[in-house]
This record gives sequence, structure tokens and C-alpha cells, in this order.
Amino acid sequence: QVQLVQSGAEVKKPGASVKVSCKASGYTFTSYYMHWVRQAPGQGLEWMGIINPSGGSTSYAQKFQGRVTMTRDTSTSTVYMELSSLRSEDTAVYYCARALSGGWYNYWGQGTLVTVSS
Amino acid sequence: DIQMTQSPSSLSASVGDRVTITCRASQGISNSLAWYQQKPGKAPKLLLYAASRLESGVPSRFSGSGSGTDYTLTISSLQPEDFATYYCQQYYSTPETFGQGTKVEIK
Repeated sequence: QVQLVQSGAEVKKPGASVKVSCKASGYTFTSYYMHWVRQAPGQGLEWMGIINPSGGSTSYAQKFQGRVTMTRDTSTSTVYMELSSLRSEDTAVYYCARALSGGWYNYWGQGTLVTVSS
Repeated sequence: DIQMTQSPSSLSASVGDRVTITCRASQGISNSLAWYQQKPGKAPKLLLYAASRLESGVPSRFSGSGSGTDYTLTISSLQPEDFATYYCQQYYSTPETFGQGTKVEIK
């Protein structure tokens, strides 16, 4: 069965970086795009960007351009999302979600809480 | 960016009620719309895609309709497990954007 398993919760200081992983199993890793979506406490869902695990190409939301980097490791079927220059407003649950290119997300990771606090 | 406006932002309903949630896009999105259900502390769950196609395993009391800029999620007979927050999402163009959510609460 398809599973997306994310890394554990993180606490970071303002200005630091965080790298969240998402390990995929149960399907051909390179056949589906992976998106990252975040959700601040009590708030809605915000799309951050997409990575094509096949070639590694990425597209990021303009809001995060210059601060976010999405990468993948095909040997371990894992995608990564690194967010730098963290500020308190980046406190959120970060999700990876699988889709066919741009599209609907039929599988989600369990979420990773990133807390930014001094 | 395409703005997605959901209404209402919250509603109270009873078990067995028919519930309708609306999502309006700031421009036409050619049925490139999905609906998700989210319960507290959990990841969203896909309900429908392509505006009206039911995801495998989702009960048939959920249905979707619409075209152009206006879309609707209907729950024909609300069940206890349906109390949750619902989000629409457009995937017509990047950045993919979500509605602000509709919280369905018990009356």
C-alpha cells in the first residue's frame, strides 16, 4: 500500500533552517510528483511547491522563492523540503502529498510540525 | 494567482441533514477542482477530484458539481463521522490554491 512517512517534529530558532523528509513506499517513486503543503495552527492549507522525482525539476510558490529547496533521493525514494531563514510565521505542520503532475493529492504524509521560537 | 472563496466558513447541522458547501474561483478552472476532508490532527483526505469524480472508497453521500468558476460539495445525509473541515483546491494552474475551509459542526 502507498505510504508517505515524514520525519519528526522540529523546533528551530528564528533565522535557522529546517529540512523535512518524506519517504515513499508502495509505488514507483518516479511515476508521481510530490507536492509540499503547509498549515499554520488553526489556519488553512498553503501550497509551497512541487518536485518531479524523476528528473528532480521543481516549481515553487513565489512566496517561498529563495527560501525553499526541494530535492529527492531516488535510491531511498525520499523527497526533502528545506526552508531557510525561518521566522515565527513559518510555524506550521508541513505535509508532503502525492499527485499526478499538478493535480489532486490522493496520498498525504502524516505531517511534520515545525515550531519556530526563540 | 487564482483565489478560491468558500462559503460558508462554518455551519451547524444535524445528523441526516443535507449539507452544501460552495467554492468560487476568481477565474474559470475547467473543473480542475478537488475537495478534501480534514479532521483535527490529521492530514486532509481526498473526497472528489475533477469537480465531480468520487475518490475510491469515499461514500456515495458525497457528491460534487459545478463548472466554470462555481463549484459545490454536497453531503446528502450527514453522518457523525462527517463532522470535519472541508477544503476545495484548484489545480488548474500553479500556484495551486485552496479555499479557506468550511467547518461542519454538530447542531
